[in-house]
Amino acid sequence: AQSVTQLDSHVSVSEGTPVLLRCNYSSSYSPSLFWYVQHPNKGLQLLLKYTSAATLVKGINGFEAEFKKSETSFHLTKPSAHMSDAAEYFCVVKGFYNFNKFYFGSGTKLNVKP
Amino acid sequence: DVKVTQSSRYLVKRTGEKVFLECVQDMDHENMFWYRQDPGLGLRLIYFSYDVKMKEKGDIPEGYSVSREKKERFSLILESASTNQTSMYLCASSPPTGTGSDTIYFGEGSWLTVV
Repeated sequence: AQSVTQLDSHVSVSEGTPVLLRCNYSSSYSPSLFWYVQHPNKGLQLLLKYTSAATLVKGINGFEAEFKKSETSFHLTKPSAHMSDAAEYFCVVKGFYNFNKFYFGSGTKLNVKP
Repeated sequence: DVKVTQSSRYLVKRTGEKVFLECVQDMDHENMFWYRQDPGLGLRLIYFSYDVKMKEKGDIPEGYSVSREKKERFSLILESASTNQTSMYLCASSPPTGTGSDTIYFGEGSWLTVV
């Protein structure tokens, strides 16, 4: 079965410093993995996705994520945080057996301090 | 760009009322979903539909039903609203598996308050 664990419920960084949001997945097969961002009172917006091509995936707004099969991880990073990055971030894995199902992590709230 | 539109952003309904939440997508996607999102509980799947008139229960279908009469439209129905259904509801759509694109796209959400 597929599952996703986001290791931190809250992360706080200062503006201009690096961001690291951690995600571990469980999947018997090569998964499709996603990161989404949700700003307050908004829907979820796709940041980036991994679908078995390059292991380093670049997304919008300077975010990127690296797929590490040996560590079953898909951590999200950004070199320099901006105030507008403050939001909640979700790591998502697509079901393999239940091919129409998506499994969501519990979310990480990113706070960016001036 | 894919657009998933939820017609009502904010609703206040009374206990016992029948509530309709409407969702339309413009990308001809086969799959459509309804989730609810609550603090501390994350996103939970209520129902999904993989074709017109086809539906499957998600993780928390109790108290809800759905309707998909046209491919682009997926409605969530609360037959008799209760206060524990106060939540943010998110509609989403995705292409079918095997098309080479398996991304799920979300609407802006509908905030429902039941009083």
